[in-house]
Amino acid sequence: KNEVEQSPQNLTAQEGEFITINCSYSVGISALHWLQQHPGGGIVSLFMLSSGKKKHGRLIATINIQEKHSSLHITASHPRDSAVYICAVHGGSQGNLIFGKGTKLSVKP
Amino acid sequence: DTEVTQTPKHLVMGMTNKKSLKCEQHMGHRAMYWYKQKAKKPPELMFVYSYEKLSINESVPSRFSPECPNSSLLNLHLHALQPEDSALYLCASSRITGGYGNTIYFGEGSWLTVV
Repeated sequence: KNEVEQSPQNLTAQEGEFITINCSYSVGISALHWLQQHPGGGIVSLFMLSSGKKKHGRLIATINIQEKHSSLHITASHPRDSAVYICAVHGGSQGNLIFGKGTKLSVKP
Repeated sequence: DTEVTQTPKHLVMGMTNKKSLKCEQHMGHRAMYWYKQKAKKPPELMFVYSYEKLSINESVPSRFSPECPNSSLLNLHLHALQPEDSALYLCASSRITGGYGNTIYFGEGSWLTVV
């Protein structure tokens, strides 16, 4: 079993829909990241969480430390949100990032 | 300036060539990382530098040689690579290694093709 599990693996939505991507982890962590990667390659850090909830524009990220679960929500989705969203946690003996396999989101106009 | 700049964006090299990938940040970060990413897979950690010293080498073959000449620069020297080394190479930096309050910034990556 992977230490960081994301669901769903693939997600297709219509423009304007509310989107949720889930991340569960099995290790002790000091922080959790939500990352966005477009087909061009570069990775953008969207959120870093160690507790509670954060909001940036149409994006909301939550984390429940007791349940070892985080969610990324996108409100009023837009085709430019199409990307791979990756959950990564700081865990392990040296606090390195452990990545989930990513969720490929496609938002249709 | 919250950028991590990687050059070149694309590199095609033969198996006998010697080339280098470069990474630069001016955020005062003292932790810098090299990751390798194959298509449709998450990034895999290769090396971590902490305060310009190599702190983690994830059993990477010696044909990859990292160098951190100063706190702003990170190089990855490539020699005698194999076609299976073709991948996206991502550089990243953070204030320090570890998790608490430590946002990690990634570069756009260097696409490497070994022919």
